Amino acid sequence: EVQLLESGGGLVQPGGSLRLPCAASGFTFSTYAMGWVRQAPGKGLEWVTAISGSTTNTYYADSVKGRFTISRDNSKNTVYVQMNSLRAEDTAVYFCARGRRYGSGSHSDPYYFDYWGQGTLVTVSS
Amino acid sequence: EIVLTQSPATLSLSPGERATLSCRASQSVSSYLAWYQQKPGQAPRLLIYDASNRATGIPARFSGSGSGTDFTLTISSLEPEDFAVYYCQQRSNWPPAFGQGTRLEIK
Repeated sequence: EVQLLESGGGLVQPGGSLRLPCAASGFTFSTYAMGWVRQAPGKGLEWVTAISGSTTNTYYADSVKGRFTISRDNSKNTVYVQMNSLRAEDTAVYFCARGRRYGSGSHSDPYYFDYWGQGTLVTVSS
Repeated sequence: EIVLTQSPATLSLSPGERATLSCRASQSVSSYLAWYQQKPGQAPRLLIYDASNRATGIPARFSGSGSGTDFTLTISSLEPEDFAVYYCQQRSNWPPAFGQGTRLEIK
C-alpha cells in the first residue's frame, strides 16, 4: 500500500524558514517523481514544486521560485521542501504527492499526482 | 501559463442524478488532463488521467471526455459519497495548473 506522510508544519513568523519532510512507503521510491501541492484555507489547489525520481530535474511555481527548494533522499525514501523567506500568503496545508505521467508524453513534461499524503498545515503569522 | 476554468462553480443535484462538470483550458493541452475529487478535511484523489482513463480503483460511474481545450467529467448516477469538490489539472506545460474547482452539493 502506497503511503505518504508529511510532517514539520507549524507556526512560523514572516521571513522565517521551515523544512517539511514527506516519508514514502509501499513503492519503489527512487523510480517516481514527487511533488508538493498546497491549499490555502478555503481555497483551491496550487502546485508548488516537483522533483524527478533521479533528482536530476527540479521544478518550481513562480510564486516560490528562489525561496523554496525541493530535494530527496532516495536512501531514506523521503522528499523535502525547504521553505525560506516565508510570507503570509504561504499559509496553507502542504500536500506531498507522487508524480506520474502514465507513459505518455516526453520525459520533461509535468506530472499528474496519483497518491497524496494527508497534508501538514503551515501558518505564517506574527 | 495555461489557465483552467471550471464550470459551474457549484452544482446542486440529488442522488441518482447525472452530473456533468466542465473544464476549459486557455490553450490546447491535448489529452493531458486529469480530474481529482476532494472531500472536506481529506487529500485529493485522482479519478481520471489523460482525459478519459480511470485511475486505479475508481468506479465505472466516473467517466471523462474531451481533448484540446474542452473537457468533461461525468458521474452517471450520483452516490451519496460523490458530493465533494472536483478539480481538473493539466500536465501539458509547466506549471501543472489546477482549475479553481466545482463544488458538487446535495440538492
